[in-house]
Amino acid sequence: DQQVKQNSPSLSVQEGRISILNCDYTNSMFDYFLWYKKYPAEGPTFLISISSIKDKNEDGRFTVFLNKSAKHLSLHIVPSQPGDSAVYFCAASANAGNMLTFGGGTRLMVKP
Amino acid sequence: ETGVTQSPTHLIKTRGQQVTLRCSSQSGHNTVSWYQQALGQGPQFIFQYYREEENGRGNFPPRFSGLQFPNYSSELNVNALELDDSALYLCASSLVDMGYGYTFGSGTRLTVV
Repeated sequence: DQQVKQNSPSLSVQEGRISILNCDYTNSMFDYFLWYKKYPAEGPTFLISISSIKDKNEDGRFTVFLNKSAKHLSLHIVPSQPGDSAVYFCAASANAGNMLTFGGGTRLMVKP
Repeated sequence: ETGVTQSPTHLIKTRGQQVTLRCSSQSGHNTVSWYQQALGQGPQFIFQYYREEENGRGNFPPRFSGLQFPNYSSELNVNALELDDSALYLCASSLVDMGYGYTFGSGTRLTVV
């Protein structure tokens, strides 16, 4: 039973446009959400996070939106750059626990 | 400051064998977590160590075990290897009071044949 799902395995976007990556979860106990970016042959690197008490968090070109009623979060990248091409993972945690539950990832390709 | 380093980078083992993977935590970090990432999937939590003791475990059988040493380096041991254990094994270190400020290593690619 996948508690965190990223339903789009891949996404292709033109440079300068907006990239929107989506993530759905089923566990109501999740209260902290994170996005990681992963390049080939490297470990995941932390991108941005959001607590369940917020519905939006912004950091430069990256914004994460959380819709608790729909159990849905999204990552917006504006403007997209070729260097953003990577696999993006959504992750969630419950009750300040030490375990992260990851989604399956979305491969983003930003075309010049 | 050095990041998280894992060794070896690649490994091929035979079914039924045992394997030890190693991880050096980022300087100053006192907590280490291990994740398994199968091909085409997201990382799955195996366990976490803090102060040399297991501090949480995911849905993995007891043949997956670990150690954390006083210098905060860590080992992941897998006994009786199965073909499904083939995966990328990721180590992540953090400070216990940093919440989710994990720093991941580049991983060890284990292939079981």
